[in-house]
Amino acid sequence: AQKITQTQPGMFVQEKEAVTLDCTYDTSDQSYGLFWYKQPSSGEMIFLIYQGSYDEQNATEGRYSLNFQKARKSANLVISASQLGDSAMYFCAMREGLLNRDDKIIFGKGTRLHILP
Amino acid sequence: EAQVTQNPRYLITVTGKKLTVTCSQNMNHEYMSWYRQDPGLGLRQIYYSMNVEVTDKGDVPEGYKVSRKEKRNFPLILESPSPNQTSLYFCASSSTGGPYNEQFFGPGTRLTVL
Repeated sequence: AQKITQTQPGMFVQEKEAVTLDCTYDTSDQSYGLFWYKQPSSGEMIFLIYQGSYDEQNATEGRYSLNFQKARKSANLVISASQLGDSAMYFCAMREGLLNRDDKIIFGKGTRLHILP
Repeated sequence: EAQVTQNPRYLITVTGKKLTVTCSQNMNHEYMSWYRQDPGLGLRQIYYSMNVEVTDKGDVPEGYKVSRKEKRNFPLILESPSPNQTSLYFCASSSTGGPYNEQFFGPGTRLTVL
């Protein structure tokens, strides 16, 4: 079963609008971290934001915020006031604690975001 | 400058010809990892290492080998490459294992196996 699910393969959003990228996850671990990365067309992977499973407040980093709903196992990325430079592929990833004595990192399949002028 | 470097950045090779992709980080990180990225599949972890001389399989280890003899280096070895290993490969590192640390990625290596 997929541990990270990103249900939107592609999205088109008008410039300056807010956009929400969906991510749901599956884990039996109580301790885990959720990450979002951006991959522009140039190919590099850029870390955006992190949410820990024990964090009580939603993470924010500038225009990025993470809508963390633990009971629903969702960790959606919200980009406020989108810009043309936000056009990229976005990946959600999960890093579990060491309950199972391994330290794998699981990525979703990604959402390609297109910002329209 | 703190960074993860990979070499080569681009490689075209033929089936069966052994190759090594190097990865090095200068941040004294304990955890290092290799991923492959394929269209529609996202990133999939090949191998990871939690410290020197400690390596573990990720989700797609078949056809790959790794070693961690020094903390800074984590080479990926394809003993007998096949066309289905044509992919974009990323090396990444984080300060330690566990759920709290983001990874820093190298620039990627685009491999084509003919």
